[in-house]
Amino acid sequence: QKEVEQDPGPLSVPEGAIVSLNCTYSNSAFQYFMWYRQYSRKGPELLMYTYSSGNKEDGRFTAQVDKSSKYISLFIRDSQPSDSATYLCAMSYHAGNMLTFGGGTRLMVKP
Amino acid sequence: DAMVIQNPRYQVTQFGKPVTLSCSQTLNHNVMYWYQQKSSQAPKLLFHYYDKDFNNEADTPDNFQSRRPNTSFCFLDIRSPGLGDAAMYLCATSVGTGRQETQYFGPGTRLLVL
Repeated sequence: QKEVEQDPGPLSVPEGAIVSLNCTYSNSAFQYFMWYRQYSRKGPELLMYTYSSGNKEDGRFTAQVDKSSKYISLFIRDSQPSDSATYLCAMSYHAGNMLTFGGGTRLMVKP
Repeated sequence: DAMVIQNPRYQVTQFGKPVTLSCSQTLNHNVMYWYQQKSSQAPKLLFHYYDKDFNNEADTPDNFQSRRPNTSFCFLDIRSPGLGDAAMYLCATSVGTGRQETQYFGPGTRLLVL
């Protein structure tokens, strides 16, 4: 079993839709949770960074962490074609910043 | 703009022919990382440098080596590339390795092994 599981997709939605992306994990020692966006043939770009359980909002993006369920989510409101990319969740332990990534979910937003 | 730069963006090599990928950074970060990312898979950490201290992941093959001659540059050497080494290689940097230190990624080098 992988430490971090993520549905690979692809997830196809119409422009303007609300998108929900999710990851589950098995190790309760993870404390810090991140979402990276990776455009085709580019490096990952940090989108959201959260600590422990709760919600964090930044513009159209909301990150949610439920440590009791070992489940994290990224919501994208009013999705745009420019949001089309692969979204990688990542997490780290309290002791340092070494990242464990999910395999990524490919999102396609159609005009 | 401060950034992480990787050259070349695409690299083609032959089976068994040594190849070197390069990474440079203008962020003046202490830590540099090399990841391997195969198609539709998670990035996998190969090793990282904290300043000149080299840290190898336990499952990184011996075929992969790294050099960091100074703060700004880090190289990934693949001594005898196999077909299974074809992947995107990502360089990243961070100020330190403390728990809140964000990693910043370069655009990657896509390696093709013929």
